[in-house]
Amino acid sequence: KQEVTQIPAALSVPEGENLVLNCSFTDSAIYNLQWFRQDPGKGLTSLLLIQSSQREQTSGRLNASLDKSSGRSTLYIAASQPGDSATYLCAVTPPTDSWGKLQFGAGTQVVVTP
Amino acid sequence: DGGITQSPKYLFRKEGQNVTLSCEQNLNHDAMYWYRQDPGQGLRLIYYSQIVNDFQKGDIAEGYSVSREKKESFPLTVTSAQKNPTAFYLCASSGRGQETQYFGPGTRLLVL
Repeated sequence: KQEVTQIPAALSVPEGENLVLNCSFTDSAIYNLQWFRQDPGKGLTSLLLIQSSQREQTSGRLNASLDKSSGRSTLYIAASQPGDSATYLCAVTPPTDSWGKLQFGAGTQVVVTP
Repeated sequence: DGGITQSPKYLFRKEGQNVTLSCEQNLNHDAMYWYRQDPGQGLRLIYYSQIVNDFQKGDIAEGYSVSREKKESFPLTVTSAQKNPTAFYLCASSGRGQETQYFGPGTRLLVL
C-alpha cells in the first residue's frame, strides 16, 4: 500500500529565506505527483503537477522536483513571504487504472515571520 | 465564474441523524470526489464518481452514501452508521481521472 510522508510536520522561517519542503512515497509506480496549498479552514489549491516522466516543474517562485526511483519530491519556494504561510500537501496518483485515488501526505505547516 | 461550491460551511448533526452535504461544480468536469480531513492528517478518499449514475467506494466509505444524478452535483450523506463524523469534508472535481483536482471550500461537520 502506498504511503506518503511529509517531514517536518511544521516549519518556521524568517521572511526572505528559501523554503524546502519534502515529500516521500513508498511505491515508485506513480502516474503523477501534485503539490497543494491549504489555508486554515479552506479548501486546497493546486500549485504544481509533475507527471511521472518529468523531473521538475516550475511556476513563478515555486519549483518542484521528482525523483521516482528514490520516492522523493521536493518543493522549493524562493524568497519566502508572509503570504506563503499555509499548509502544503503533496499527493501521488497511482497508475492509470486507479481513477482519482490520490494518496495524500499529512502536510507541512509553514509559518513565514516578517 | 467557474468553480466548486459546497454548502453549508458548518453543519451540526444530532445523534442518530442523517445529514447531507452539497457539492456543485460548473467546470464541466466528468469526475467528482469526496474527501475527509481530520486534524493533523492528510485527506482520505470517501467516494468518487467518473460519470453520471456511477460512483465507486474510496478508502473510508463505511457510514457514507452518495448519488450522481447530474454531472454538476455530487451530494454526500453522512448516515447514523458513521460513528465518528466530526471532520472537515472536501469535494473536488477533475476533467479526467488523472488530471489536476480542483477543490471546494469545504464543510465542517460537528456533532451535537
